[in-house]
Amino acid sequence: EAQVTQNPRYLITVTGKKLTVTCSQNMNHEYMSWYRQDPGLGLRQIYYSMNVEVTDKGDVPEGYKVSRKEKRNFPLILESPSPNQTSLYFCASSRMALYEQYFGPGTRLTVT
Amino acid sequence: KNEVEQSPQNLTAQEGEFITINCSYSVGISALHWLQQHPGGGIVSLFMLSSGKKKHGRLIATINIQEKHSSLHITASHPRDSAVYICAVKETSGSRLTFGEGTQLTVNP
Repeated sequence: EAQVTQNPRYLITVTGKKLTVTCSQNMNHEYMSWYRQDPGLGLRQIYYSMNVEVTDKGDVPEGYKVSRKEKRNFPLILESPSPNQTSLYFCASSRMALYEQYFGPGTRLTVT
Repeated sequence: KNEVEQSPQNLTAQEGEFITINCSYSVGISALHWLQQHPGGGIVSLFMLSSGKKKHGRLIATINIQEKHSSLHITASHPRDSAVYICAVKETSGSRLTFGEGTQLTVNP
């Protein structure tokens, strides 16, 4: 089954404790992206990747890192999480940038 | 002013009604996406279009590039159409996506 998976689905952590949210797709897609969704602000793009080893900033990249060492994986790294990074995070992939996006189920992160 | 504006923010309809959700944007774009987010939180892509019109079942999406406007229509609406509908644009320069705040649609039986 074609899908985008994210782990963990729920995470509660404390300020400053490094964490990684994994994202994996099995559709051989070139384009992958991370978004956060906050009430009243909607979805905002954090980082995206056009292909392996190619990443670029979205609208809200501060406090986040990404890497794209393999085509299928695009982890989101929070080196020192802060409470303002409490949010619902979505990973998505598409064949290329101009194609329909497939979204993961979301990761609800709470930073206390 | 947001680069992508949706209207209305909230919409309540009776089952069977014809529904229109609008999206206006202020930047040059190469593509526009319509997404559906269910109450459980999952997001599904409905359409991606760069010109004209697309139809899938009871859903129709149109775009007017000159007027920088897109509409999503739902014919014969049903309670299962209740969801948040989100418009997103890919700017001509670069590959990032910018989203509207979404339209909360509730269809009552």
